[in-house]
Amino acid sequence: GAGVSQSPSNKVTEKGKDVELRCDPISGHTALYWYRQSLGQGLEFLIYFQGNSAPDKSGLPSDRFSAERTGGSVSTLTIQRTQQEDSAVYLCASSLGLAGALDTGELFFGEGSRLTVL
Amino acid sequence: GQNIDQPTEMTATEGAIVQINCTYQTSGFNGLFWYQQHAGEAPTFLSYNVLDGLEEKGRFSSFLSRSKGYSYLLLKELQMKDSASYLCATNQAGTALIFGKGTTLSVSS
Repeated sequence: GAGVSQSPSNKVTEKGKDVELRCDPISGHTALYWYRQSLGQGLEFLIYFQGNSAPDKSGLPSDRFSAERTGGSVSTLTIQRTQQEDSAVYLCASSLGLAGALDTGELFFGEGSRLTVL
Repeated sequence: GQNIDQPTEMTATEGAIVQINCTYQTSGFNGLFWYQQHAGEAPTFLSYNVLDGLEEKGRFSSFLSRSKGYSYLLLKELQMKDSASYLCATNQAGTALIFGKGTTLSVSS
């Protein structure tokens, strides 16, 4: 596709359920990033991938959060045993290379997946 | 680690000039970015500074002083559509961008 695609766009779940959020980056982009944005807050870094490897998982809030990327393309963010504090917009972004490695290091963001945990 | 500070909110009127400041503390600095985010939408790239000085791009300019750990985004000839959140972000070489909490700019007529 032309841009970063995320699904679902909206997800309402009950506390304790598992959820999977999907990100399809721009074709050819080697770097992929997951951020979380709570209402009125900035972007909280979660994890990034260079190819299929995740060099930095330091932003994952707890061991209930995990992410994988296969084939250097699609990534899935999984949240197990969801809690109400997990409610947020989960944003995925991709870039041609690691931010800063190129002239602009521009990240292209998807529209996000809005997660509501009841 | 990285620490980024920017004002929470700013207001301005149409046609005016506004400067949004950002201070940062980071090791291994590898560039400063500004993104714009309209309510309910994804952030979009505005500018990137890696060297000291002013980068001008139409009505928007961005300035960087690495020795002071300081940047600003300058918006000229403000329009209503410029009402948005402006996010300052930095990164260390080979890592992901770390964003500040953003500055919400409200432009009134």
